[in-house]
Amino acid sequence: GAVVSQHPSRVICKSGTSVKIECRSLDFQATTMFWYRQFPKQSLMLMATSNEGSKATYEQGVEKDKFLINHASLTLSTLTVTSAHPEDSSFYICSARGDPTSGVGDTQYFGPGTRLTVL
Amino acid sequence: QQPVQSPQAVILREGEDAVINCSSSKALYSVHWYRQKHGEAPIFLMILLKGGEQKGHDKISASFNEKKQQSSLYLTASQLSYSGTYFCGEGGTSYGKLTFGQGTILTVHP
Repeated sequence: GAVVSQHPSRVICKSGTSVKIECRSLDFQATTMFWYRQFPKQSLMLMATSNEGSKATYEQGVEKDKFLINHASLTLSTLTVTSAHPEDSSFYICSARGDPTSGVGDTQYFGPGTRLTVL
Repeated sequence: QQPVQSPQAVILREGEDAVINCSSSKALYSVHWYRQKHGEAPIFLMILLKGGEQKGHDKISASFNEKKQQSSLYLTASQLSYSGTYFCGEGGTSYGKLTFGQGTILTVHP
């Protein structure tokens, strides 16, 4: 149990285009999902917290107009990188918070990540 | 402020033991341990809650000292599959947000 999928796993795009990344909890409902960015050999930096049916909460320094987050259902959250530039190239990882009442632990379960390269 | 992990890196031979520490500057609600292999998602290992409990499965265990605001991860009789970067995540509130340490790179050689 507690499987999170992320799609696509890799994406290469031209500068100025927008990219959408999907995060799904496959076998549990997640009222809260999180989006992280990770640079090589560095830690997971939280970008935003996404709650189903409400606006995302962004961490300080993260541009909400650039990184659009939508949490449409209890199993799906999307991150759209708008007008992407080379400096947005990174490894983006989502996680979904488990609900102990559904049998999974009250922790975060991570998706496999999306490698974004902006040319 | 993120928790501080030590050591930053450790190299072991198969069968040796290791300890990874995670220290916080603030009161902890919970500590979550993960292992990440290169290019992959972090895999959940275990969670420790307030109360100074100790947990473990197989040859990996952890302790949580609330007073000292720190947690330690113990890897016993290490295996090649233990190689990876270990992160501790501290939970300061009850709504699930975690702040991760900088990571500890563990390499196990045959």
